[in-house]
Amino acid sequence: AQSVAQPEDQVNVAEGNPLTVKCTYSVSGNPYLFWYVQYPNRGLQFLLKYITGDNLVKGSYGFEAEFNKSQTSFHLKKPSALVSDSALYFCAVRDTGGFKTIFGAGTRLFVKA
Amino acid sequence: GAGVSQSPSNKVTEKGKDVELRCDPISGHTALYWYRQSLGQGLEFLIYFQGNSAPDKSGLPSDRFSAERTGGSVSTLTIQRTQQEDSAVYLCASSPVGSGANVLTFGAGSRLTVL
Repeated sequence: AQSVAQPEDQVNVAEGNPLTVKCTYSVSGNPYLFWYVQYPNRGLQFLLKYITGDNLVKGSYGFEAEFNKSQTSFHLKKPSALVSDSALYFCAVRDTGGFKTIFGAGTRLFVKA
Repeated sequence: GAGVSQSPSNKVTEKGKDVELRCDPISGHTALYWYRQSLGQGLEFLIYFQGNSAPDKSGLPSDRFSAERTGGSVSTLTIQRTQQEDSAVYLCASSPVGSGANVLTFGAGSRLTVL
């Protein structure tokens, strides 16, 4: 069965500093991996995805994520955080042989000015 | 439509009543998902529809929950004899096809409060 773990309920970072939001996953086959973001009073939005190929994936708003197969991780990163990045971030996984997309519990990111 | 439309946006009901939540996916999207987001919880998978195939109901928490999708488009999630623990935001998402790396497009959600 697929599963996703986001070990941090909350991440605090100062504006201008790099940020990392952690995600580990478990699937029986090869994974498709996703990050979605939920801004206050707005719906979930797609940020980026990993299908195959380069382990470093670049997405919207300057975010990127690094796929690490040996550690079964897909951490979200940004070199310089903005206050406007404050939101709830969800990691998600789908087995390449299936269709069900499983989400993690979410990590709330607070960026302080 | 341009996006995934859900109605009602807010629903307050009394314990024991039945509720219906509606989802209108993006035109042409054959895959439709329902998720539940409870306070402090992640997104809990409920059910998945793909074209005319039998739905995957493996995430429905009890037999009080059911869903249907008519004509491969609009879907209705029904909760019978609601309980307080059913209070949550119910999210619908659609994608062009059911497999592969297709991205889900989410609606704004239906917030259900059971008193």
